[in-house]
Amino acid sequence: GAVVSQHPSWVICKSGTSVKIECRSLDFQATTMFWYRQFPKQSLMLMATSNEGSKATYEQGVEKDKFLINHASLTLSTLTVTSAHPEDSSFYICSASSGLSIDEQFFGPGTRLTVL
Amino acid sequence: QKEVEQNSGPLSVPEGAIASLNCTYSDRGSQSFFWYRQYSGKSPELIMFIYSNGDKEDGRFTAQLNKASQYVSLLIRDSQPSDSATYLCAVNPGNQFYFGTGTSLTVIP
Repeated sequence: GAVVSQHPSWVICKSGTSVKIECRSLDFQATTMFWYRQFPKQSLMLMATSNEGSKATYEQGVEKDKFLINHASLTLSTLTVTSAHPEDSSFYICSASSGLSIDEQFFGPGTRLTVL
Repeated sequence: QKEVEQNSGPLSVPEGAIASLNCTYSDRGSQSFFWYRQYSGKSPELIMFIYSNGDKEDGRFTAQLNKASQYVSLLIRDSQPSDSATYLCAVNPGNQFYFGTGTSLTVIP
């Protein structure tokens, strides 16, 4: 089956620093990748949708200058949380879609970010 | 965000019973519907998806869709303790997925 990886799986950083999270599709080409954020005991909240080679589309309320998304290739998308603050601490999950089956998406294992 | 609603639970059922999970959605343009299972601290895993009105069965799981009522449900037969998790309903009205808040299910041995 389709495999999506994320790196790192967890990260702790100081307030004010930037953190980059990678999302890779290992055995298929992902034309579209999605970034979600999940706070404890809450559902996944879609942050942005990115298509390879184009700018990401951000959901309302998500600061695009704070959450930088780059989808430079068909197998890699990155999310950079700039100037992270404690309220950015969350579980960040990416998913990828090959576009072959428009409705399917494959989730990465998630990255737990803790900002001190 | 499009509105997808689920009863947060917790829902408790005894082992071997049928667990029934419900979801309603607001966007009538939604074409496909998904049920995911999420264990604590893990990312969601797809259980099944459904496009057409009616029932779709896969093993112990049955998804039911009623587009007129904007309602989708998941039945889990012969519930097992390993089914204890949070179940997320997701709706795809176009090129994005929107998730409900999830229903926490506990299967009691």
